[in-house]
Amino acid sequence: EAGVVQSPRYKIIEKKQPVAFWCNPISGHNTLYWYLQNLGQGPELLIRYENEEAVDDSQLPKDRFSAERLKGVDSTLKIQPAELGDSAVYLCASSRGHANTEAFFGQGTRLTVV
Amino acid sequence: GQNIDQPTEMTATEGAIVQINCTYQTSGFNGLFWYQQHAGEAPTFLSYNVLDGLEEKGRFSSFLSRSKGYSYLLLKELQMKDSASYLCAVRDAGSARQLTFGSGTQLTVLP
Repeated sequence: EAGVVQSPRYKIIEKKQPVAFWCNPISGHNTLYWYLQNLGQGPELLIRYENEEAVDDSQLPKDRFSAERLKGVDSTLKIQPAELGDSAVYLCASSRGHANTEAFFGQGTRLTVV
Repeated sequence: GQNIDQPTEMTATEGAIVQINCTYQTSGFNGLFWYQQHAGEAPTFLSYNVLDGLEEKGRFSSFLSRSKGYSYLLLKELQMKDSASYLCAVRDAGSARQLTFGSGTQLTVLP
């Protein structure tokens, strides 16, 4: 079974430029998460989807971040415009449900804003 | 909100046993997860506890005490490949059932 696939693996952009990350969850997993992870820290939730509905986006900085999961499968996370402080690893994870099941993580996209 | 504390770093010797502690404060509790994360890689699931007691899975065991807001991950017969960050994560019982991660414990296994 293929795991969670993310692309690109690495991205370097100049500040004020837009950037997008893509995630393909494990087949059959209806719950999808986007996390941000800074060096030496644990992942911090940005947004959680149940199928195509964003059920928890309280931590998403909506002035510059947006996400979508139009058909309830793949998802994209966008930053526009990027700031220096956005440099981090952006992790996507998926699970069959949300309540008592573990989440499986992709390898993440390492974003560097210069 | 939630507050999760775990030691920043630990060092142990190959073949030994190490216990990584995690304490948490949450407005409600709906399960605790342990993940392992090697440098530059994705976190991988190790264990899940929702009831008090010990869950054993091979060389790894996880313990939970809900009344104390405390968990530990026990790693036996340490191997060099166990050098990694170990993340404690707690799910609250609110409507969003948010999963909050601690900052992780960086374990270094020495020969």
